[in-house]
Amino acid sequence: GDSVTQTEGQVTVSESKSLIINCTYSTTSIAYPNLFWYVRYPGEGLQLLLKVITAGQKGSSRGFEATYNKETTSFHLQKASVQESDSAVYYCALGAGSALGRLHFGAGTQLIVIP
Amino acid sequence: NAGVIQTPRHKVTGKGQEATLWCEPISGHSAVFWYRQTIVQGLEFLTYFRNQAPIDDSGMPKERFSAQMPNQSHSTLKIQSTQPQDSAVYLCASSLDRDRGREQYFGPGTRLTVL
Repeated sequence: GDSVTQTEGQVTVSESKSLIINCTYSTTSIAYPNLFWYVRYPGEGLQLLLKVITAGQKGSSRGFEATYNKETTSFHLQKASVQESDSAVYYCALGAGSALGRLHFGAGTQLIVIP
Repeated sequence: NAGVIQTPRHKVTGKGQEATLWCEPISGHSAVFWYRQTIVQGLEFLTYFRNQAPIDDSGMPKERFSAQMPNQSHSTLKIQSTQPQDSAVYLCASSLDRDRGREQYFGPGTRLTVL
């Protein structure tokens, strides 16, 4: 079946330092999946951070970037300089299959930014 | 736009009681999704409606769980004879569906606690 793996449950970074949160996916679909990063800020609901629906393309939002790499089946989230306000839980998600309806989520990575 | 509305935000039931969770999707969205989030299992897909018709219920437990969408403005998730293992945050999401990116907008969730 389809699945998403986030290897880090928690990442701690000092403010202004760079960040990478790893995400790899697996799918049995012959069609390229859609890939998403969702974020949940403290006390708020789950919201879309960025999405990429074409292999090889890069998505960006709020200083975050992620490139859809079909060769390595990865969609890592990166930011050059994090801020304390980026502290949140980040979820990588995959939409695949003929219906492209359901999303498969990774376990989530909690980012803690130290001022 | 009020976003996806879920009621109640918190619900406490005794073991064996019934729980009904409500979701109002964003106006104009044709697809509605239900997910469940627990610490152990993470975010799990339950079921999905498109234009009020059930499309995919592969994530629904076979017993005690049912979902309906009687009109385009609301969907319900009903859990009969609730058990402690049903305790979770239940999330509803909606999307335009015709957008290939399949971006889903999530509600704040209903936290169900079964005593």
